[in-house]
Amino acid sequence: KNQVEQSPQSLIILEGKNCTLQCNYTVSPFSNLRWYKQDTGRGPVSLTIMTFSENTKSNGRYTATLDADTKQSSLHITASQLSDSASYICVVSFVSGGSYIPTFGRGTSLIVHP
Amino acid sequence: NAGVTQTPKFQVLKTGQSMTLQCAQDMNHNSMYWYRQDPGMGLRLIYYSASEGTTDKGEVPNGYNVSRLNKREFSLRLESAAPSQTSVYFCASSEVPKPRLFGQGTRLTVV
Repeated sequence: KNQVEQSPQSLIILEGKNCTLQCNYTVSPFSNLRWYKQDTGRGPVSLTIMTFSENTKSNGRYTATLDADTKQSSLHITASQLSDSASYICVVSFVSGGSYIPTFGRGTSLIVHP
Repeated sequence: NAGVTQTPKFQVLKTGQSMTLQCAQDMNHNSMYWYRQDPGMGLRLIYYSASEGTTDKGEVPNGYNVSRLNKREFSLRLESAAPSQTSVYFCASSEVPKPRLFGQGTRLTVV
């Protein structure tokens, strides 16, 4: 069964600190992996996308890594800001019948304290 | 502003009532989706429409129906609401392989 597991479930850090969120998956055949940021009461917004051949992708202070061999991804946030407080969702997709079928992780809830 | 618009933003229903959640996108995307998000669970796909005129079941379609009215609009209908359908509903659209663009969500409570 295709699954996406994220850890930790929740994380509290101080403003200015770095943090790393983890995503392990069993989705097969793998097509791409995306990280989304979801602010409270809002829809998810895409941060990064990586395909099989990519092992790192940056978007400002967000850097995602992918190890397709071990089926692991991480999202590293540098110099955290209060606005980084949100849920971060890992989404892994496979292709079936010409459509991209995503499997969503449950998300990591990040709280950044001043 | 370009994007995905959902209406209403909030709704309270009594068990057994029916309602339709509306979704419209103005980006000329072919694919549209309906998800529900429950506490402690990832987003789960209810139905999707890969293109105008087609709809397919997702992971949790029971209790729901959809209509792809035209390329812009994709509605989700609850014929007889149940408390188990209390959730936050998200509509999304995309042009494969670009990422899905999500709406702001509809918070539905069934009492």
